[in-house]
Amino acid sequence: GAGVSQSPSNKVTEKGKDVELRCDPISGHTALYWYRQSLGQGLEFLIYFQGNSAPDKSGLPSDRFSAERTGGSVSTLTIQRTQQEDSAVYLCASSATGERFHNEQFFGPGTRLTVL
Amino acid sequence: KNEVEQSPQNLTAQEGEFITINCSYSVGISALHWLQQHPGGGIVSLFMLSSGKKKHGRLIATINIQEKHSSLHITASHPRDSAVYICAVGNEKLTFGTGTRLTIIP
Repeated sequence: GAGVSQSPSNKVTEKGKDVELRCDPISGHTALYWYRQSLGQGLEFLIYFQGNSAPDKSGLPSDRFSAERTGGSVSTLTIQRTQQEDSAVYLCASSATGERFHNEQFFGPGTRLTVL
Repeated sequence: KNEVEQSPQNLTAQEGEFITINCSYSVGISALHWLQQHPGGGIVSLFMLSSGKKKHGRLIATINIQEKHSSLHITASHPRDSAVYICAVGNEKLTFGTGTRLTIIP
């Protein structure tokens, strides 16, 4: 079956522009996560959606970052007024919840964002 | 100090060697994950464990909750095992170690 997909795979933008990154989770997965991996840095958590619950936004680095998940499926991460320090690979993951699935997370290929 | 520490940061070994990568964490956890990231960026979940030991093929993961320590072992290592191995803790919101870059030389 299809895994987690993300688009675009690469995005180059100019400082100050807004960007939207898309994530299509595995069908039926109720949990969706966004992470960021900056050059030379480790992975960091950004935001987590679980079903119809309010998302956990505690990892978003500033109010320029926002995310939504429509219909419990596709998610969009939006970065407004991009800065050079936003350059990173943005990774999405999804998981099926419930004890049987152990919350194993399946990762997408990522979107490489470059802010010039 | 990072909440999740991995060692070594880099490891180069000959094909066939037994590999051990260590992960220590400072927070109480519900689960620990081992992830593999190949060049090009794709991340694969190898193990998720909360106690004891798990084995999948040549890979073995152990965790000691009291000592807040986990190890990932690779037996009969092969060049295709070359990747970055990442330890992460948490159930939903993961906190990641900085990764161990493993290179297996033929």
